[in-house]
Amino acid sequence: QKEVEQDPGPLSVPEGAIVSLNCTYSNSAFQYFMWYRQYSRKGPELLMYTYSSGNKEDGRFTAQVDKSSKYISLFIRDSQPSDSATYLCAMGEIQGAQKLVFGQGTRLTINP
Amino acid sequence: DTAVSQTPKYLVTQMGNDKSIKCEQNLGHDTMYWYKQDSKKFLKIMFSYNNKELIINETVPNRFSPKSPDKAHLNLHINSLELGDSAVYFCASSHGDRSYEQYFGPGTRLTVT
Repeated sequence: QKEVEQDPGPLSVPEGAIVSLNCTYSNSAFQYFMWYRQYSRKGPELLMYTYSSGNKEDGRFTAQVDKSSKYISLFIRDSQPSDSATYLCAMGEIQGAQKLVFGQGTRLTINP
Repeated sequence: DTAVSQTPKYLVTQMGNDKSIKCEQNLGHDTMYWYKQDSKKFLKIMFSYNNKELIINETVPNRFSPKSPDKAHLNLHINSLELGDSAVYFCASSHGDRSYEQYFGPGTRLTVT
């Protein structure tokens, strides 16, 4: 079993739809949970991070962490064609210099 | 005003050759990383340096040797290239106490024939 599982998709939705992206993990020591966005032929860029459990909102994006279920989600409201990218979840155990474990990434396409 | 830059962007070479990839960051970060992303998009850490000191060294063949001449640079040298080394290699950097916020370079697409 991989430490972090993420459905690779692809996922295709119409513009304006609410998108839900998810990851599950097995390492209960993970404390930091991140979502990175990667456009085609580019490097990943940090979208959001959450420490421990709870929700975090930033504009159209909401990140949720449920440590009891070892499950994290990213919701995108009012999705736009510019949101089309691969979304990677990432997790780490401590704040300091550390190894991040990435999910496989979900390829998302928003159709106009 | 590029934050994390890598050279070259593309690298096509034959099996058995030795090649290097260079990375530079101008963000003032003290920690730098090398990642490998395979064809299925799995992004896996290879090495990490903090203030020029190696702090993460994953199970990577010793044909791969990182070198950090200073905090702003982290190079990757690969000896005796194999077909399985074909991948996209990403350099990243962060502040040491905020490693959840990593800034990635554009990647180097390595193809070994």
